[in-house]
Amino acid sequence: SQTIHQWPATLVQPVGSPLSLECTVEGTSNPNLYWYRQAAGRGLQLLFYSVGIGQISSEVPQNLSASRPQDRQFILSSKKLLLSDSGFYLCAWRISGRRRGEQYFGPGTRLTVT
Amino acid sequence: AQKVTQAQTEISVVEKEDVTLDCVYETRDTTYYLFWYKQPPSGELVFLIRRNSFDEQNEISGRYSWNFQKSTSSFNFTITASQVVDSAVYFCALSPLNDYKLSFGAGTTVTVRA
Repeated sequence: SQTIHQWPATLVQPVGSPLSLECTVEGTSNPNLYWYRQAAGRGLQLLFYSVGIGQISSEVPQNLSASRPQDRQFILSSKKLLLSDSGFYLCAWRISGRRRGEQYFGPGTRLTVT
Repeated sequence: AQKVTQAQTEISVVEKEDVTLDCVYETRDTTYYLFWYKQPPSGELVFLIRRNSFDEQNEISGRYSWNFQKSTSSFNFTITASQVVDSAVYFCALSPLNDYKLSFGAGTTVTVRA
């Protein structure tokens, strides 16, 4: 069976510091991968998605970036955090090459920028 | 462009009451998928159901049931005999058949009181 891991679970960072969140998927190959952000009490905002190694699509221009250095690894980064980057970050994966679209989500990372 | 509307922001019920969550969508695509996700207080989104646009048969899974009506572009979700464990935020989502992305509604917070 497939599992998705995210770390860290919680993070408190000062404004202007760098960020690196990691997501890995086990039990599948060449998944589609996604990063979402959820501000407190708000809906889900798609930040990035990837359909393969090195292929990143950005949905919202901002001070965040994403990379996919390995097939099942997806990293969200920032060089300098802003207060507005606080939120709940969710990684998700989807089976590629099939005619169905559900995504499966990880446990999330709660980021507080102080 | 896709749009999913969940007009109910919050619903509060007493245990054992039924609760229905509304979802209305807009899309120009003729084939698409609809989804429901549950987000308990822990934060992880849990996939509940996928429905294909060409299959309007209603579905029941235990205390959960879904009513898909293509004529009114609605995909409503009913929890029968609600329990405290049903307390969560519920999201409706839409994806065209061959799209990588999901369009989420804003979510409905369900609180079930003992």
